[in-house]
Amino acid sequence: DAGITQSPRHKVTETGTPVTLRCHQTENHRYMYWYRQDPGHGLRLIHYSYGVKDTDKGEVSDGYSVSRSKTEDFLLTLESATSSQTSVYFCAISAQGYGPEAFFGQGTRLTVV
Amino acid sequence: QQQVKQSPQSLIVQKGGISIINCAYENTAFDYFPWYQQFPGKGPALLIAIRPDVSEKKEGRFTISFNKSAKQFSLHIMDSQPGDSATYFCAGSSMDSSYKLIFGSGTRLLVRP
Repeated sequence: DAGITQSPRHKVTETGTPVTLRCHQTENHRYMYWYRQDPGHGLRLIHYSYGVKDTDKGEVSDGYSVSRSKTEDFLLTLESATSSQTSVYFCAISAQGYGPEAFFGQGTRLTVV
Repeated sequence: QQQVKQSPQSLIVQKGGISIINCAYENTAFDYFPWYQQFPGKGPALLIAIRPDVSEKKEGRFTISFNKSAKQFSLHIMDSQPGDSATYFCAGSSMDSSYKLIFGSGTRLLVRP
């Protein structure tokens, strides 16, 4: 596996609480992404980063924020968790170049009750 | 707006048979089309990818066929094996969008012994 570590791997949280998921890479790749995976929807892009402090929104960014203060870390925050944010969250990284391979982490299963 | 449509949702094939999964895309700016394989509890892993300047790419038992004019591409798994049982995702991305992957909804493949 590529050097990607997601933490935590599993989390149960209550509606209305803030939650932060962490993605840590050891590959020094420029691009980092957060996706969520839900049955019938495949993987949908939440936010992505193209460099330190450079981030942008994806398809389903409402209710989420991100930060990238170091190359190796990309944080996803749910400001006030809702049940609709129950999902499996995947971090991915890719290097610069034409048609780069994206490497995915093992995922974080988040349940909002 | 779903930019990549994938079919079928599920597929059952006998061992030794051919598995075929189809995808259609809308965004003509896409210039990179990967297929990902995902086993339960794991992150997606790149299986094979193609660029639009070729009509076919083969790697072992896996082949991508690409039809640029129809905006369609497909994955063929020859001599399907029980170990191929997994969920497969097609995707599209482009250089001018930070290589963000737009995924299809996935196909769950079961290869029976």
